Amino acid sequence: KNEVEQSPQNLTAQEGEFITINCSYSVGISALHWLQQHPGGGIVSLFMLSSGKKKHGRLIATINIQEKHSSLHITASHPRDSAVYICAVRYISGSRLTFGEGTQLTVNP
Amino acid sequence: GAGVSQSPSNKVTEKGKDVELRCDPISGHTALYWYRQRLGQGLEFLIYFQGNSAPDKSGLPSDRFSAERTGESVSTLTIQRTQQEDSAVYLCASSKGTYTDTQYFGPGTRLTVL
Repeated sequence: KNEVEQSPQNLTAQEGEFITINCSYSVGISALHWLQQHPGGGIVSLFMLSSGKKKHGRLIATINIQEKHSSLHITASHPRDSAVYICAVRYISGSRLTFGEGTQLTVNP
Repeated sequence: GAGVSQSPSNKVTEKGKDVELRCDPISGHTALYWYRQRLGQGLEFLIYFQGNSAPDKSGLPSDRFSAERTGESVSTLTIQRTQQEDSAVYLCASSKGTYTDTQYFGPGTRLTVL
């Protein structure tokens, strides 16, 4: 069982739809990252959160420390948003990132 | 400046051979990470370097794997006596300071062991 669980594993949406990807973890963390992996394999860091909410363009990330849960939202989705979205956490006790399995998002025109 | 670069981009080797993968971090970044991503699987942490501190090697899967970093510059990941299960994309990332900073990923090296 992965310590970091993402849902859904796969998500298909129509252009313009509001997207939510969820991430839950089991123990206390110092930070949570959302990453985007493009079809060609390149990885981009989207957000790093330790509390509250962050917004960048059409992307919003929230975290609830008490519930050990984070969500990544995409408003007005576009086909170029198609990618794998990865949640990763850094536990309080360590320096490494522990990754979720990723959510494959496909946005159709 | 330039982002994180890795070389080679692709490497095909025969089982039992040694391979060396290189990572050039962003200039001025003191932290450097190596990760592995097997086909269809998630990312796995391998090793973390922070400045001149002893590296966190806790993710290295076996003693065939080793990594070095000279100061705050280039890092090499060496895999000795490669096995087919070592086939994966090896990703390097760097960050400005400690592990609380945003990580910037390189394009990866795709290793295929025949």
